[in-house]
Amino acid sequence: GAGVSQSPSNKVTEKGKDVELRCDPISGHTALYWYRQSLGQGLEFLIYFQGNSAPDKSGLPSDRFSAERTGGSVSTLTIQRTQQEDSAVYLCASTTGVTSKNIQYFGAGTRLSVL
Amino acid sequence: AQKITQTQPGMFVQEKEAVTLDCTYDTSDQSYGLFWYKQPSSGEMIFLIYQGSYDEQNATEGRYSLNFQKARKSANLVISASQLGDSAMYFCAMREGRAGANSKLTFGKGITLSVRP
Repeated sequence: GAGVSQSPSNKVTEKGKDVELRCDPISGHTALYWYRQSLGQGLEFLIYFQGNSAPDKSGLPSDRFSAERTGGSVSTLTIQRTQQEDSAVYLCASTTGVTSKNIQYFGAGTRLSVL
Repeated sequence: AQKITQTQPGMFVQEKEAVTLDCTYDTSDQSYGLFWYKQPSSGEMIFLIYQGSYDEQNATEGRYSLNFQKARKSANLVISASQLGDSAMYFCAMREGRAGANSKLTFGKGITLSVRP
């Protein structure tokens, strides 16, 4: 079956612009995670969605970052007024959320470059 | 303190030989999970192997095995019979607490493995 799909694969934007990154999880997976991978900070957790529960936003670095998940499936990560330090690879992962292992399966990521 | 420590900056191995990638972790939770992921140059994170804190046997998945030493808080990945396609970045990660809750992962800095023909 299809894996986690992320789009766009690459995004170049100008400082101050807003960007939207999309994640389409594996069908049937109720839990969805966003991570950021940057040279300086490595891989960092951003936000977690589980079913209809309130998301865990504890990893979002600033209020310029937000995310939503519509219909318990597709998620969009929005970065407003982008800054150069937002340049990174944004990875999305999904999992069934109910197994003893809870293995997260990742997409190929969106590489964001802020000029 | 870092929760996941991967200190080997880069590793080289000859094709068909075995290689061990080191990982130590730090947690006060009794229930946790340890994961290894592979990230080739294409960027996708590929799940390799999982070890639960209560698992008594070391995990194995094909050519991958996890040398789990709970008292030492280490979870080293062993790749047997290395192949050229194993050249990639390898990440150790930990989920603290039981699975089913927010299972966010904490990652190490990663290790670059290069397989020589």
